[in-house]
Amino acid sequence: QSALTQPPSASGSPGQSVTISCTGTSSDFGGYDYVSWYQQYPGKAPKLLVFEVNKRPSGVPDRFSGSKSGNTASLTVSGLQAEDEADYYCSSFAGGDMLYVFGTGTTVTVL
Amino acid sequence: EMRLVESGGGLVQPGGSLRLSCAASGFSMRDYWMHWVRQGPGKGLVWVARIKGDGSSLAYGDSVKGRFTISRDTAKNTVDLQVNSLRLDDTALYYCVRANCRNKNAFDVWGQGTMVTVSS
Repeated sequence: QSALTQPPSASGSPGQSVTISCTGTSSDFGGYDYVSWYQQYPGKAPKLLVFEVNKRPSGVPDRFSGSKSGNTASLTVSGLQAEDEADYYCSSFAGGDMLYVFGTGTTVTVL
Repeated sequence: EMRLVESGGGLVQPGGSLRLSCAASGFSMRDYWMHWVRQGPGKGLVWVARIKGDGSSLAYGDSVKGRFTISRDTAKNTVDLQVNSLRLDDTALYYCVRANCRNKNAFDVWGQGTMVTVSS
């Protein structure tokens, strides 16, 4: 169960877009679209942003969008706002054992 | 309001044990898969263990297999994590988390965490 690979950091100016990648192996994603993304502020618990690759829970702004191609999932934050400065983690699970794995995490900085 | 509250963390010597507990309110754990996720100081999230709502299926991350045991008490609506043979690298904030099948088992409710510090 190696962690999914994310870039350590990403940044953008207010109003711009930033995309975070999440790369694993075929066994990590298992051919399923069970990729989710989480936002975490310092000292706070993570919050669900995206599930099933590209679906948002109610209350999450549509500035957050997800996608997946092959063994790489991505989260795009459009129209960056100061409040988007946080850590972001991807997650997936695969197989009948439902073993989960998280990404290494990406710190987003709004310049 | 759906809520998870963890307890049981503390300072323990290497090789020691603790029992972490998580109490749910606003929903029945029987209807969900429940998980423990940990985060070391300044580090990323690591999945630790999970238990199916009816208790019929358990699974563990490689780093804790054989040392940690997840269980649940339906009557109390709690899920516990017995952590044994603790090592320095088990030092972390331990989150209790709910996975929701309506969200394709994404983690939709998180507790605030209970801190486990392993030190001599």
